[in-house]
Amino acid sequence: DAKTTQPPSMDCAEGRAANLPCNHSTISGNEYVYWYRQIHSQGPQYIIHGLKNNETNEMASLIITEDRKSSTLILPHATLRDTAVYYCIVRADSNAGGTSYGKLTFGQGTILTVHP
Amino acid sequence: DAGITQSPRHKVTETGTPVTLRCHQTENHRYMYWYRQDPGHGLRLIHYSYGVKDTDKGEVSDGYSVSRSKTEDFLLTLESATSSQTSVYFCAISIRVGETQYFGPGTRLLVL
Repeated sequence: DAKTTQPPSMDCAEGRAANLPCNHSTISGNEYVYWYRQIHSQGPQYIIHGLKNNETNEMASLIITEDRKSSTLILPHATLRDTAVYYCIVRADSNAGGTSYGKLTFGQGTILTVHP
Repeated sequence: DAGITQSPRHKVTETGTPVTLRCHQTENHRYMYWYRQDPGHGLRLIHYSYGVKDTDKGEVSDGYSVSRSKTEDFLLTLESATSSQTSVYFCAISIRVGETQYFGPGTRLLVL
């Protein structure tokens, strides 16, 4: 799976949009971009994923550049409860074949702190 | 949230003691995974299962065994716990390999 690069930390004011960047310049054509977050002492929580089109769900939006070498996770109205470590992960889909067993590789992520 | 529970949520044990952690799901997902999370290492896959009685090793499987006798339960056993196995253990499930994984709340294990 391709390697990702994220800033180690970011701050955001409550009520404002939080834009979390991720670089994945070696991404392959069959690899998806996944975002998870982990609130202190809890299990990782799935947020959103996409292949090449922008995606939106009730939690966030995912913007993927046309060349797919980077993406941005957008939390439109951050709250204090969004303070967490956010992980950007690139992994092949279920039809990629090979010996992949679906392992998720979590890097260091971005510590997002939302302040009042 | 996906219906995943882990038990116990916290455990303190002594070196050399056997320990079994349980992951239970109500989603009827075929794939189940055990990860451990340690500072500086992120999440690392220990074992995974692709069906009842079908399991395989992950990247850090030494010292661990697993069993899956029912779709809903995936057990992780430390046959003889060591201090290096002090960690937070997470279970995850997915419908198919390569699909989205959903995680349980975790078990904090301290081996003295």
